[in-house]
Amino acid sequence: DAKTTQPPSMDCAEGRAANLPCNHSTISGNEYVYWYRQIHSQGPQYIIHGLKNNETNEMASLIITEDRKSSTLILPHATLRDTAVYYCIVKSGATNKLIFGTGTLLAVQP
Amino acid sequence: DGGITQSPKYLFRKEGQNVTLSCEQNLNHDAMYWYRQDPGQGLRLIYYSQIVNDFQKGDIAEGYSVSREKKESFPLTVTSAQKNPTAFYLCASSFDSLASRDADVNEQFFGPGTRLTVL
Repeated sequence: DAKTTQPPSMDCAEGRAANLPCNHSTISGNEYVYWYRQIHSQGPQYIIHGLKNNETNEMASLIITEDRKSSTLILPHATLRDTAVYYCIVKSGATNKLIFGTGTLLAVQP
Repeated sequence: DGGITQSPKYLFRKEGQNVTLSCEQNLNHDAMYWYRQDPGQGLRLIYYSQIVNDFQKGDIAEGYSVSREKKESFPLTVTSAQKNPTAFYLCASSFDSLASRDADVNEQFFGPGTRLTVL
């Protein structure tokens, strides 16, 4: 499974867009990029996933570079409740195992 | 409401005792998972089960045991052989991607977690 690299922490002002980067330079052709988040002392929550096209849902947008070596999760209008650890995970399409790194702690400031 | 539940939320045990953590889901998911999380760290896979009466070791299975007698239930036993059992334990479930080979249906749903403290 490919490894991911994320900054340990980021700040964002409430109401502004939060852009969370992730590097996955060793990703292979059948591996998907998944994003989960974990609010303190709760279970992780699925946000979005993609293979090579950009994706958008009610929670966020996922922008994947053309070479697929990096991606950005965008929360368009961050709120205080978006404060959490965000995990970028590269997952093989042939297995359902998730390998979590240490993620990015996003702190949304009032 | 459909979902995945874990009990208890907080658990204390004395050193040397076995303890069983409960995980139940009513999402009709085939696959279930147990993870362990230590402070400031990501989740690490302990055991997973893709189908009833079958399970596989994850990355840190030593000192743990599981059973999968029913589709809805996947209890985890932390045995006295586990050297550092104090941690946050998370259970998850999903449709079985190994059967579908389709990543779009294998989002994992997590329970609220059980925080185990060994005294």
